[in-house]
Amino acid sequence: AQKVTQAQTEISVVEKEDVTLDCVYETRDTTYYLFWYKQPPSGELVFLIRRNSFDEQNEISGRYSWNFQKSTSSFNFTITASQVVDSAVYFCALTDMEYGNKLVFGAGTILRVKS
Amino acid sequence: DGGITQSPKYLFRKEGQNVTLSCEQNLNHDAMYWYRQDPGQGLRLIYYSQIVNDFQKGDIAEGYSVSREKKESFPLTVTSAQKNPTAFYLCASSRASGLYNEQFFGPGTRLTVL
Repeated sequence: AQKVTQAQTEISVVEKEDVTLDCVYETRDTTYYLFWYKQPPSGELVFLIRRNSFDEQNEISGRYSWNFQKSTSSFNFTITASQVVDSAVYFCALTDMEYGNKLVFGAGTILRVKS
Repeated sequence: DGGITQSPKYLFRKEGQNVTLSCEQNLNHDAMYWYRQDPGQGLRLIYYSQIVNDFQKGDIAEGYSVSREKKESFPLTVTSAQKNPTAFYLCASSRASGLYNEQFFGPGTRLTVL
């Protein structure tokens, strides 16, 4: 069955620190996609990145970077030089072929960045 | 601006009442989804629809119903059969029901049962 584990329930850092959010997944599918979403206090989920199972290149977008390792079934997310505006709940998600484009979400990691 | 709107933002329901949550999108997306979010549990899929006049149950469909009469609209009814409806409800849409299409989310409706 599809499963996403975000073991870190809550992380607190001081502004300008680097922080890594962990995501470990289990899947029965040979082709799948992984996503990261950000949920600020307003509640709306904001799409951050999509990665397919055939592309293990790391990706960097500004202060954000993602490390996908198929061998360890992990898709970790790093924020460099964190800012207060990064405070949010971050969700990792995995596609499930059995249900069309259904996403299986992890429980989320609450990130608190203090000034 | 293109996007997904959900209304109302906050909704209060008395026990035994049915309530309907609205979800509208102007992104011309084929697929639409309803998720429920509870603290510490992430999001769980209630129903999804890949095309007009068709929808499928997700993981927690009991006590909920949907319709998809128009491409832009996917309302969710929380019935009195739903024993614990207090939660945050999120609607999403995607271009098509394919693996590579990210889902875009609305701002959510927070439902509280009094």
